[in-house]
Amino acid sequence: NAGVMQNPRHLVRRRGQEARLRCSPMKGHSHVYWYRQLPEEGLKFMVYLQKENIIDESGMPKERFSAEFPKEGPSILRIQQVVRGDSAAYFCASSLGQVRSYNSPLHFGNGTRLTVT
Amino acid sequence: ILNVEQSPQSLHVQEGDSTNFTCSFPSSNFYALHWYRWETAKSPEALFVMTLNGDEKKKGRISATLNTKEGYSYLYIKGSQPEDSATYLCASTLYSGGGADGLTFGKGTHLIIQP
Repeated sequence: NAGVMQNPRHLVRRRGQEARLRCSPMKGHSHVYWYRQLPEEGLKFMVYLQKENIIDESGMPKERFSAEFPKEGPSILRIQQVVRGDSAAYFCASSLGQVRSYNSPLHFGNGTRLTVT
Repeated sequence: ILNVEQSPQSLHVQEGDSTNFTCSFPSSNFYALHWYRWETAKSPEALFVMTLNGDEKKKGRISATLNTKEGYSYLYIKGSQPEDSATYLCASTLYSGGGADGLTFGKGTHLIIQP
């Protein structure tokens, strides 16, 4: 049973380009979360999705950032017109049910390290 | 408390000693408290999920307690081993209802076990 798969592991983009980060949740998981880790900071919640729906995007910047989790295929976090401040590690996690339940811990991917030059 | 706070930020412990550290969280609108271990170059791995006041969970030499009324959880490690060296994260649900269901993480306690 494969875990959460993220790709690419490392992504280098020049300022102004687009970055696309992919996440395939664990088999059977329909809840997907994206977190960002800035240097010297903890994990910051960005967005929570279920299949085809954005449930909570309160942690995601209003401009340039978008996320989707289509019926088929992986969840995508897209960052348009990247700036240096977007350089960070982006982690995807999935869960079986809502994280408020005792039996729904998050399962994390290995992250995508985005570097904007 | 409006956020999830962890202390200490870092901790050096001699191999064989026992240790513990703290997670504080808002006690209102509480649903769940999670603990994760994050080893260098790996991804965070779930240790415990606790939902009830007074919950105690144990996995090997690691255990955790939960006090939802006062908003804190302790993580204990008995007889520390070098492989316990990692950053320990706690996270809580700071929102309620309406689909706002993300976990808010503390900054972690960085534990180093010295041989």
